[in-house]
Amino acid sequence: AQSVTQLGSHVSVSEGALVLLRCNYSSSVPPYLFWYVQYPNQGLQLLLKYTSAATLVKGINDFEAEFKKSETSFHLTKPSAHMSDAAEYFCAVSESGAGSYQLTFGKGTKLSVIP
Amino acid sequence: DAGVTQSPTHLIKTRGQQVTLRCSPKSGHDTVSWYQQALGQGPQFIFQYYEEEERQRGNFPDRFSGHQFPNYSSELNVNALLLGDSALYLCASSFRDAPNEQFFGPGTRLTVL
Repeated sequence: AQSVTQLGSHVSVSEGALVLLRCNYSSSVPPYLFWYVQYPNQGLQLLLKYTSAATLVKGINDFEAEFKKSETSFHLTKPSAHMSDAAEYFCAVSESGAGSYQLTFGKGTKLSVIP
Repeated sequence: DAGVTQSPTHLIKTRGQQVTLRCSPKSGHDTVSWYQQALGQGPQFIFQYYEEEERQRGNFPDRFSGHQFPNYSSELNVNALLLGDSALYLCASSFRDAPNEQFFGPGTRLTVL
């Protein structure tokens, strides 16, 4: 079984400050990991993914995440927050083996950016 | 390049009724997954369809059923609606060689009264 824990249901940062959204996962097999962003009344947009290649993954809009197996973490960072980054962010895990196709999501972290 | 499309955008039903939601996958994708997102929660996996068959199912009752057509589009059917079925229903598409890399549509907001 797999699960995701996102620490902090709500994070506030000032415009221009570092963004750090935390994600810890549990998986019995090597995982695939994803970060999605959801703007109000919209679907989910894929920000970045880890699929067993480089442990530091770069995504769209200057977001990046680092896979740390020893810490079972996949935290999302961005050096400088923009007002347009205000949204809800979801971390998701999937098993890498054949026969497992579902994504298991965390409960989400709502990011607010203060001008 | 058309992304994932879903219809309708919003839907209001009463308890006990049945509903059908529709999804067209992103161009080039042949696999469709459905998720339920309750208010304030992350999406939960309902099932995935590939080659017109249900390939994997999450922890949802049999009231939830689906179908995939030869053109890869898909329907989600929910029978005997309950108040607790009110949610945003998200469709995601992917390619058979990367079934976990899923691209989501805008969703259908279902309200059950």
